[in-house]
Amino acid sequence: GAVVSQHPSRVICKSGTSVKIECRSLDFQATTMFWYRQFPKQSLMLMATSNEGSKATYEQGVEKDKFLINHASLTLSTLTVTSAHPEDSSFYICSAREVGREGVWNEQFFGPGTRLTVL
Amino acid sequence: SQKIEQNSEALNIQEGKTATLTCNYTNYSPAYLQWYRQDPGRGPVFLLLIRENEKEKRKERLKVTFDTTLKQSLFHITASQPADSATYLCALSISSGSARQLTFGSGTQLTVLP
Repeated sequence: GAVVSQHPSRVICKSGTSVKIECRSLDFQATTMFWYRQFPKQSLMLMATSNEGSKATYEQGVEKDKFLINHASLTLSTLTVTSAHPEDSSFYICSAREVGREGVWNEQFFGPGTRLTVL
Repeated sequence: SQKIEQNSEALNIQEGKTATLTCNYTNYSPAYLQWYRQDPGRGPVFLLLIRENEKEKRKERLKVTFDTTLKQSLFHITASQPADSATYLCALSISSGSARQLTFGSGTQLTVLP
């Protein structure tokens, strides 16, 4: 149980284009999903917290107009990188928190990640 | 400023030995500290959690200690195996407003040599 998937696993795009990454909770419902970014040999950095049916909360320094987050259902959140540039190349990881377990110790289930390369 | 530091970017040990990884933090008061394993090109996988009022937690060959006075956690893998080779991340669970967030260290890459 508690499986989170991401699609695509890898994507290569040209500079200036937009890329959408999907995060799905496969066997549970998630009111909250988190989006992280990880550069090589660095830590996971939280970009934003996505709540179903409401606007995402972005961390300081993350441009909300560049990284569009939509959490339209209890099993799906999407991250769209708009007008991507080479510096956006990174490993993007989502995680999900199960409905009804929000009071548990910040339990999050992580997806396998999406490797974005912008040429 | 707030920092989480994992000493040793990389650690090589011989199979069968005990690996000890360190996580130090400053200017945080975490309710929980967690350890994750991350394999190359994959998302983190949860291993163990320890609460602020706990000194030690064990799970099979894994042991975690938590010293809130020293602001340090130690993560031990006993009888290490080559399959234990991975990057290990510590993470603090911190309340930020109404939300709880995870803040990660940069990880220690462990290589167990056969």
